[in-house]
Amino acid sequence: DQQVKQNSPSLSVQEGRISILNCDYTNSMFDYFLWYKKYPAEGPTFLISISSIKDKNEDGRFTVFLNKSAKHLSLHIVPSQPGDSAVYFCAASIQGGNTPLVFGKGTRLSVIA
Amino acid sequence: ETGVTQTPRHLVMGMTNKKSLKCEQHLGHNAMYWYKQSAKKPLELMFVYNFKEQTENNSVPSRFSPECPNSSHLFLHLHTLQPEDSALYLCASSQEGSNQPQHFGDGTRLSIL
Repeated sequence: DQQVKQNSPSLSVQEGRISILNCDYTNSMFDYFLWYKKYPAEGPTFLISISSIKDKNEDGRFTVFLNKSAKHLSLHIVPSQPGDSAVYFCAASIQGGNTPLVFGKGTRLSVIA
Repeated sequence: ETGVTQTPRHLVMGMTNKKSLKCEQHLGHNAMYWYKQSAKKPLELMFVYNFKEQTENNSVPSRFSPECPNSSHLFLHLHTLQPEDSALYLCASSQEGSNQPQHFGDGTRLSIL
C-alpha cells in the first residue's frame, strides 16, 4: 500500500507559467516532507522541505504548501523555466526517530518554451 | 558534483556473476542508504547504516549483501541475481536523523542478463 502518492505521472506547462505538482499521503504520523528533482542519468537532488508545524515554505521560485487536514502537499514553481523539466519526487518521514523517507512514484514535468 | 560518488555507473552481469557496487560520500555525513528504483515504481529503500551500523533492512533478499566499513563508504555486494533485479541502484547519505535531507549519488544502472 503506497503511503505517498503522486497521482499525476506527467505534467506539461508553458514557460513563464506556474507549475503545480501534487502529493497525497496516507500516514497521519508523517510530519516532515521533502521534494526532490531528478534529471535523466543523475540522482535525485534535494529541492525544498517543510515541517508539519508550517503550512508554507518558500525558496526563490519554489514554494511548498502543506494541508495537514487533507494530507496533501503541493510544490509550486513560478515562473516555470525549461531547465525545470525533470521528474519531481515527493517524500515523507516521521521526525524524532530513524524512520526512513517514503517516496512517491514521481511526476515528470515538461516546461515548454 | 553531488558529494556522493557511485561506481560503476553502468553494470551488466550474468545471473551467476558476483560484483560489487561502491558508494563514497565526501559530505561528512554519518548515515548512508541504498535504494532501488525500478521502472514506474517509487524509490524503494533497501538498507540504512547509521554510524556504520545497519539499522534497517527492508526485507531485501540475501543475494544483496551490504557492507559499510566506515561512515564514508558503502558497498552493495551482488551474487546470483535475477533478471527482476535489473534497476537503478542509488546510494544516499545524510546527517543522522529523519529530518535531514538525503543527498543522492547518480546511481548504478544494473542489467542482469
